[in-house]
Amino acid sequence: GQNIDQPTEMTATEGAIVQINCTYQTSGFNGLFWYQQHAGEAPTFLSYNVLDGLEEKGRFSSFLSRSKGYSYLLLKELQMKDSASYLCAVRGVNTGFQKLVFGTGTRLLVSP
Amino acid sequence: DTGVSQDPRHKITKRGQNVTFRCDPISEHNRLYWYRQTLGQGPEFLTYFQNEAQLEKSRLLSDRFSAERPKGSFSTLEIQRTEQGDSAMYLCASSNRDSFGNTIYFGEGSWLTVV
Repeated sequence: GQNIDQPTEMTATEGAIVQINCTYQTSGFNGLFWYQQHAGEAPTFLSYNVLDGLEEKGRFSSFLSRSKGYSYLLLKELQMKDSASYLCAVRGVNTGFQKLVFGTGTRLLVSP
Repeated sequence: DTGVSQDPRHKITKRGQNVTFRCDPISEHNRLYWYRQTLGQGPEFLTYFQNEAQLEKSRLLSDRFSAERPKGSFSTLEIQRTEQGDSAMYLCASSNRDSFGNTIYFGEGSWLTVV
């Protein structure tokens, strides 16, 4: 099976940088995804990592270490609109190639 | 590209009634997924279609749940004899083998409240 852990809640200040960690355990690995979800809305895709290293996309970056079963999402120059839940999801080989397994999400609150 | 669309967006039903949700995936996406999400939790996988074939089904999908994708385009998810525990947001998503990392894109979700 798969197990995904991420902090339940984090707070940060507008303009700051925040790092949201995700650790996972899976008997097979075929990619890690980050999604953003505003309250009452559907998740929207942020990033995808399948190889070790850092992927940068504007204010958001995502890092992966497969040997450590670890990823983080880095948000820079925080804005109020970044207040949302951030979901880490892993696609594991043994759970079926196409299925993503999600963590419970990290709720980020950005204050002025 | 109009995105994944779901209908209805909100449904309130009495316990014991049947409900059906419809999902129209992104055009040309041959893969379609149903997930369920409750408050404070991440989405939980329910089922997956490739074209019209249902290739994977979660143990969460009891015999009261059935999903179809008859022509490989839109899909329906039916819940029979609804129970209060079925109250959740039902998310549909689609993907294409050629999309980046086979990324799945979600619709806006269908909120179900069973009273």
